[in-house]
Amino acid sequence: GIQVEQSPPDLILQEGANSTLRCNFSDSVNNLQWFHQNPWGQLINLFYIPSGTKQNGRLSATTVATERYSLLYISSSQTTDSGVYFCAVDLSGGGADGLTFGKGTHLIIQP
Amino acid sequence: KAGVTQTPRYLIKTRGQQVTLSCSPISGHRSVSWYQQTPGQGLQFLFEYFSETQRNKGNFPGRFSGRQFSNSRSEMNVSTLELGDSALYLCASSQGQGPLWYFGPGTRLTVT
Repeated sequence: GIQVEQSPPDLILQEGANSTLRCNFSDSVNNLQWFHQNPWGQLINLFYIPSGTKQNGRLSATTVATERYSLLYISSSQTTDSGVYFCAVDLSGGGADGLTFGKGTHLIIQP
Repeated sequence: KAGVTQTPRYLIKTRGQQVTLSCSPISGHRSVSWYQQTPGQGLQFLFEYFSETQRNKGNFPGRFSGRQFSNSRSEMNVSTLELGDSALYLCASSQGQGPLWYFGPGTRLTVT
């Protein structure tokens, strides 16, 4: 099956710093989503981005589908940004195969 | 519009028992999928339903089963619980057949 690798696995930053999280995938995909898992376990949608670039406030994401990677940028980090960030892909885009998740990047923002 | 809801939020069961978890999708969503999250294996796909039909199942034993009702609500059942079934079980819904999935808060199952 498709492999999804995220880096770095752990990241500790001071409040106000910028960060870049990376997601590599082993096959062409029709769906790529970024999620933030809050301390209570819920996965919060950040971006649906199978290709191109999107921005939402301090967060932005870029997916280069031809090179099979996606980047999540967080600028001016706040302590509330702490948590685990997951990249998830779906080969078909039709939903039946489910999402394949990476192992996540654990981000800690210190005040 | 209300989000995906899951009940119960926390559950403690004993080895050998069975458990049923419930998921109510976002109103109007017809697809529901389930995932298991453990520290060792991460997030793994369990199964996906669309219009009451299971379209796919992940690599889990037959003790794991599910169903979807005509109102799109879904249940998953785990029989003969094992210690390794302790996990966070997440449900997600989608409007059609993908691609955008929205997750519920999860049910944290502890098997003792």
